[in-house]
Amino acid sequence: DSGVTQTPKHLITATGQRVTLRCSPRSGDLSVYWYQQSLDQGLQFLIQYYNGEERAKGNILERFSAQQFPDLHSELNLSSLELGDSALYFCASSPSGHSYEQYFGPGTRLTVT
Amino acid sequence: KNQVEQSPQSLIILEGKNCTLQCNYTVSPFSNLRWYKQDTGRGPVSLTIMTFSENTKSNGRYTATLDADTKQSSLHITASQLSDSASYICVVSAPYGGATNKLIFGTGTLLAVQP
Repeated sequence: DSGVTQTPKHLITATGQRVTLRCSPRSGDLSVYWYQQSLDQGLQFLIQYYNGEERAKGNILERFSAQQFPDLHSELNLSSLELGDSALYFCASSPSGHSYEQYFGPGTRLTVT
Repeated sequence: KNQVEQSPQSLIILEGKNCTLQCNYTVSPFSNLRWYKQDTGRGPVSLTIMTFSENTKSNGRYTATLDADTKQSSLHITASQLSDSASYICVVSAPYGGATNKLIFGTGTLLAVQP
Protein backbone atom coordinates (compact mmCIF):
# COMPACT_ATOMS: atom_id res chain seq x y z
CA ASP A 1 0.00 0.00 0.00
CA SER A 2 1.59 3.26 -1.18
CA GLY A 3 -0.51 5.51 1.04
CA VAL A 4 -2.04 7.25 -1.97
CA THR A 5 -5.79 6.78 -2.27
CA GLN A 6 -7.97 7.25 -5.31
CA THR A 7 -11.71 7.21 -5.69
CA PRO A 8 -13.69 5.82 -7.28
CA LYS A 9 -12.02 2.55 -8.28
CA HIS A 10 -14.25 2.12 -11.30
CA LEU A 11 -16.40 4.55 -13.24
CA ILE A 12 -18.67 3.85 -16.17
CA THR A 13 -20.24 6.75 -17.98
CA ALA A 14 -21.55 7.79 -21.36
CA THR A 15 -19.99 9.92 -24.07
CA GLY A 16 -20.44 13.63 -23.57
CA GLN A 17 -20.61 13.36 -19.80
CA ARG A 18 -18.34 14.88 -17.17
CA VAL A 19 -16.65 13.03 -14.31
CA THR A 20 -14.40 13.91 -11.39
CA LEU A 21 -11.63 11.67 -10.12
CA ARG A 22 -10.25 12.21 -6.66
CA CYS A 23 -6.81 11.63 -5.20
CA SER A 24 -5.47 11.92 -1.67
CA PRO A 25 -1.67 11.99 -1.50
CA ARG A 26 0.47 10.31 1.13
CA SER A 27 0.54 12.15 4.40
CA GLY A 28 3.05 14.98 4.15
CA ASP A 29 3.47 14.84 0.37
CA LEU A 30 3.03 18.20 -1.31
CA SER A 31 3.05 17.18 -4.97
CA VAL A 32 0.36 15.35 -6.86
CA TYR A 33 0.74 14.00 -10.39
CA TRP A 34 -1.93 12.69 -12.73
CA TYR A 35 -1.30 10.06 -15.40
CA GLN A 36 -3.40 8.36 -18.04
CA GLN A 37 -2.77 4.77 -19.12
CA SER A 38 -4.77 3.60 -22.11
CA LEU A 39 -4.98 -0.04 -23.12
CA ASP A 40 -1.58 -1.25 -24.34
CA GLN A 41 -0.14 2.23 -23.93
CA GLY A 42 2.49 3.53 -21.60
CA LEU A 43 1.70 5.93 -18.83
CA GLN A 44 1.21 9.47 -20.09
CA PHE A 45 1.90 12.35 -17.75
CA LEU A 46 -1.00 14.78 -17.59
CA ILE A 47 -0.31 17.39 -14.96
CA GLN A 48 1.48 18.09 -11.67
CA TYR A 49 0.43 20.23 -8.74
CA TYR A 50 2.68 21.32 -5.94
CA ASN A 51 1.26 22.76 -2.76
CA GLY A 52 -1.87 23.95 -4.50
CA GLU A 53 -0.31 25.39 -7.63
CA GLU A 54 0.16 23.94 -11.07
CA ARG A 55 3.83 22.97 -11.49
CA ALA A 56 4.07 21.12 -14.78
CA LYS A 57 1.81 20.22 -17.65
CA GLY A 58 2.06 17.23 -19.94
CA ASN A 59 -0.26 15.84 -22.59
CA ILE A 60 -3.44 17.04 -20.97
CA LEU A 61 -6.38 17.77 -23.23
CA GLU A 62 -8.25 21.06 -22.94
CA ARG A 63 -11.34 19.06 -21.95
CA PHE A 64 -9.48 17.94 -18.84
CA SER A 65 -8.62 20.08 -15.86
CA ALA A 66 -7.29 19.53 -12.39
CA GLN A 67 -6.82 21.32 -9.13
CA GLN A 68 -5.21 20.75 -5.77
CA PHE A 69 -7.03 21.92 -2.68
CA PRO A 70 -5.63 23.43 0.55
CA ASP A 71 -5.78 20.01 2.24
CA LEU A 72 -3.59 18.80 -0.67
CA HIS A 73 -6.07 16.38 -2.15
CA SER A 74 -6.52 16.72 -5.88
CA GLU A 75 -9.29 16.28 -8.39
CA LEU A 76 -9.07 15.57 -12.09
CA ASN A 77 -12.10 16.72 -14.07
CA LEU A 78 -12.81 15.13 -17.43
CA SER A 79 -15.54 16.67 -19.55
CA SER A 80 -17.20 16.04 -22.92
CA LEU A 81 -16.02 12.49 -22.59
CA GLU A 82 -15.18 10.47 -25.68
CA LEU A 83 -14.76 6.73 -26.13
CA GLY A 84 -11.01 7.24 -26.40
CA ASP A 85 -10.89 8.64 -22.88
CA SER A 86 -11.48 5.14 -21.51
CA ALA A 87 -8.32 4.38 -19.56
CA LEU A 88 -6.77 3.88 -16.17
CA TYR A 89 -6.07 7.17 -14.46
CA PHE A 90 -3.33 7.13 -11.86
CA CYS A 91 -2.44 9.67 -9.27
CA ALA A 92 1.00 9.78 -7.70
CA SER A 93 2.46 11.89 -4.93
CA SER A 94 5.91 12.95 -3.85
CA PRO A 95 7.22 14.85 -0.85
CA SER A 96 8.53 17.82 -2.82
CA GLY A 97 8.18 19.50 -6.19
CA HIS A 98 10.79 17.16 -7.59
CA SER A 99 9.50 13.91 -8.96
CA TYR A 100 12.49 11.97 -7.66
CA GLU A 101 10.38 9.45 -5.83
CA GLN A 102 6.75 9.09 -6.75
CA TYR A 103 4.26 6.86 -5.02
CA PHE A 104 1.36 5.72 -7.16
CA GLY A 105 -2.21 5.15 -6.14
CA PRO A 106 -4.27 2.13 -7.21
CA GLY A 107 -5.87 4.00 -10.10
CA THR A 108 -9.38 4.73 -11.31
CA ARG A 109 -10.61 2.72 -14.27
CA LEU A 110 -12.81 4.89 -16.47
CA THR A 111 -15.01 3.29 -19.10
CA VAL A 112 -16.83 5.57 -21.52
CA THR A 113 -19.65 3.86 -23.42
CA LYS B 1 9.23 7.99 -32.06
CA ASN B 2 9.06 7.02 -28.40
CA GLN B 3 11.91 8.48 -26.44
CA VAL B 4 12.04 5.41 -24.19
CA GLU B 5 11.92 2.04 -25.90
CA GLN B 6 11.84 -1.31 -24.16
CA SER B 7 12.47 -4.82 -25.34
CA PRO B 8 11.20 -7.39 -25.50
CA GLN B 9 7.53 -6.40 -25.48
CA SER B 10 6.70 -9.60 -23.68
CA LEU B 11 8.58 -12.51 -22.20
CA ILE B 12 7.69 -15.91 -20.79
CA ILE B 13 10.13 -17.70 -18.51
CA LEU B 14 10.02 -20.65 -16.15
CA GLU B 15 10.06 -20.16 -12.43
CA GLY B 16 13.59 -20.08 -11.06
CA LYS B 17 15.17 -18.83 -14.28
CA ASN B 18 16.90 -15.49 -14.75
CA CYS B 19 15.96 -12.86 -17.30
CA THR B 20 17.12 -9.47 -18.54
CA LEU B 21 14.92 -6.65 -19.79
CA GLN B 22 16.28 -3.85 -21.95
CA CYS B 23 15.63 -0.13 -22.13
CA ASN B 24 17.04 2.30 -24.69
CA TYR B 25 16.36 5.98 -24.43
CA THR B 26 17.03 9.14 -26.42
CA VAL B 27 16.03 11.62 -23.72
CA SER B 28 18.74 14.21 -23.21
CA PRO B 29 19.59 15.65 -20.83
CA PHE B 30 18.27 13.30 -18.24
CA SER B 31 18.22 13.41 -14.49
CA ASN B 32 17.67 9.79 -13.53
CA LEU B 33 16.37 6.48 -14.78
CA ARG B 34 13.95 4.30 -12.91
CA TRP B 35 12.48 0.86 -13.20
CA TYR B 36 8.94 0.27 -12.01
CA LYS B 37 6.97 -2.93 -11.56
CA GLN B 38 3.29 -2.74 -12.38
CA ASP B 39 0.95 -5.58 -11.52
CA THR B 40 -2.09 -5.82 -13.78
CA GLY B 41 -4.64 -3.12 -12.93
CA ARG B 42 -2.53 -1.62 -10.16
CA GLY B 43 -0.26 1.37 -9.77
CA PRO B 44 3.46 1.11 -10.58
CA VAL B 45 5.87 0.46 -7.73
CA SER B 46 9.43 1.74 -7.86
CA LEU B 47 12.19 -0.88 -8.00
CA THR B 48 15.33 1.20 -8.59
CA ILE B 49 16.34 4.77 -9.31
CA MET B 50 19.75 5.59 -10.81
CA THR B 51 21.33 8.93 -11.54
CA PHE B 52 23.56 9.34 -14.59
CA SER B 53 26.66 8.72 -12.46
CA GLU B 54 25.51 5.31 -11.21
CA ASN B 55 26.22 2.14 -13.17
CA THR B 56 24.29 -0.39 -11.17
CA LYS B 57 21.76 -0.62 -8.40
CA SER B 58 20.22 -3.65 -6.76
CA ASN B 59 16.98 -4.25 -4.93
CA GLY B 60 16.83 -7.85 -3.76
CA ARG B 61 16.64 -10.10 -6.81
CA TYR B 62 16.39 -7.08 -9.12
CA THR B 63 19.58 -5.49 -10.48
CA ALA B 64 19.50 -2.50 -12.80
CA THR B 65 22.42 -1.29 -14.87
CA LEU B 66 22.89 1.99 -16.66
CA ASP B 67 25.26 3.04 -19.43
CA ALA B 68 24.73 6.78 -19.85
CA ASP B 69 27.12 6.90 -22.81
CA THR B 70 25.11 4.48 -24.92
CA LYS B 71 21.82 5.49 -23.29
CA GLN B 72 20.97 1.93 -22.36
CA SER B 73 19.70 0.33 -19.21
CA SER B 74 18.84 -3.21 -18.26
CA LEU B 75 16.92 -4.87 -15.47
CA HIS B 76 18.09 -8.32 -14.48
CA ILE B 77 15.81 -10.55 -12.46
CA THR B 78 17.44 -13.46 -10.67
CA ALA B 79 15.76 -16.70 -9.66
CA SER B 80 12.35 -15.59 -10.90
CA GLN B 81 9.22 -16.24 -8.86
CA LEU B 82 5.60 -16.47 -9.91
CA SER B 83 5.00 -13.12 -8.20
CA ASP B 84 7.44 -11.49 -10.62
CA SER B 85 4.76 -11.76 -13.32
CA ALA B 86 4.01 -8.13 -14.11
CA SER B 87 4.81 -5.30 -16.49
CA TYR B 88 8.24 -3.72 -15.99
CA ILE B 89 8.45 -0.11 -17.00
CA CYS B 90 11.56 1.93 -17.71
CA VAL B 91 11.14 5.61 -16.89
CA VAL B 92 13.51 8.45 -17.69
CA SER B 93 13.31 11.67 -15.74
CA ALA B 94 14.23 14.79 -17.68
CA PRO B 95 14.56 18.38 -16.51
CA TYR B 96 11.34 20.17 -17.26
CA GLY B 97 12.25 23.69 -16.40
CA GLY B 98 12.54 25.36 -13.06
CA ALA B 99 12.83 22.95 -10.21
CA THR B 100 10.84 20.09 -11.59
CA ASN B 101 11.36 17.05 -13.75
CA LYS B 102 9.19 15.30 -16.30
CA LEU B 103 8.88 11.53 -16.35
CA ILE B 104 8.90 9.80 -19.71
CA PHE B 105 7.60 6.25 -19.57
CA GLY B 106 8.42 3.31 -21.79
CA THR B 107 5.55 1.04 -22.79
CA GLY B 108 6.88 -1.76 -20.63
CA THR B 109 7.89 -5.40 -20.91
CA LEU B 110 5.19 -7.84 -19.89
CA LEU B 111 6.81 -10.71 -18.00
CA ALA B 112 5.02 -13.98 -17.34
CA VAL B 113 6.67 -16.48 -15.01
CA GLN B 114 5.31 -19.97 -15.39
CA PRO B 115 5.59 -22.83 -12.90
